[in-house]
Amino acid sequence: QSVLTQPPSVSAAPGQKVTISCSGNTSDIGNNYISWYQQFPGTAPQLLVFDNNERPSGIPDRFSGSKSGTSATLDITGLQTGDEAHYYCGTWDNSLSTWVFGGGTKLTVL
Amino acid sequence: QVQLVQSGAEVRRPGASVRLSCKASGYTFSNSAMHWVRQAPGLRLEWMGWINTGTGSAKYSQNFQGRVTITTDTSASTAYMELRSLRLEDTAVYYCARDWEDLDNWGRGTLVTVSS
Repeated sequence: QSVLTQPPSVSAAPGQKVTISCSGNTSDIGNNYISWYQQFPGTAPQLLVFDNNERPSGIPDRFSGSKSGTSATLDITGLQTGDEAHYYCGTWDNSLSTWVFGGGTKLTVL
Repeated sequence: QVQLVQSGAEVRRPGASVRLSCKASGYTFSNSAMHWVRQAPGLRLEWMGWINTGTGSAKYSQNFQGRVTITTDTSASTAYMELRSLRLEDTAVYYCARDWEDLDNWGRGTLVTVSS
């Protein structure tokens, strides 16, 4: 099963901006929408961004997504200590006919 | 509002089976597919499979092929996931997730512990 590639960890200071990357290939990110999920310890993942750059209602515009080719990024601006969590990207894989996730990125707000 | 209520924690011996449930409310159950995703302690999200709740057709990850079955009871707005021939490494939290705007609503998860 293919796995999308994310950095294991990122960090930045409160108020700053951080970018989390997600790399795949033409069978997954390259030909499908990507979504991003936030997960706090001991809780279920929550959808942050869908269809590459759309936010569900209630998600602040500090969170934004983009996609280019076979890679995607999640930007978080105005970092808050409450943003410390794991972030996962996910999409459909056409060749495997399965959903695939990235390995997850732990965000630390210093 | 959309809610996915999952069944309680389970403990099984290696080789046994477990069947988990996910009861949906707040939307038309048959209009959205349902996925099952698991997460072993400290590890990443792992997709197991999904079911078209309108037709009952299911698709599974090759990692679980032959061991997992996902079904629904549309009259009860409930999805089920059965995992057989359990191994120690199947110890994980199992989530159901609705597929509307991608995986937009998740259950709280069910902890399955496999221990001898």
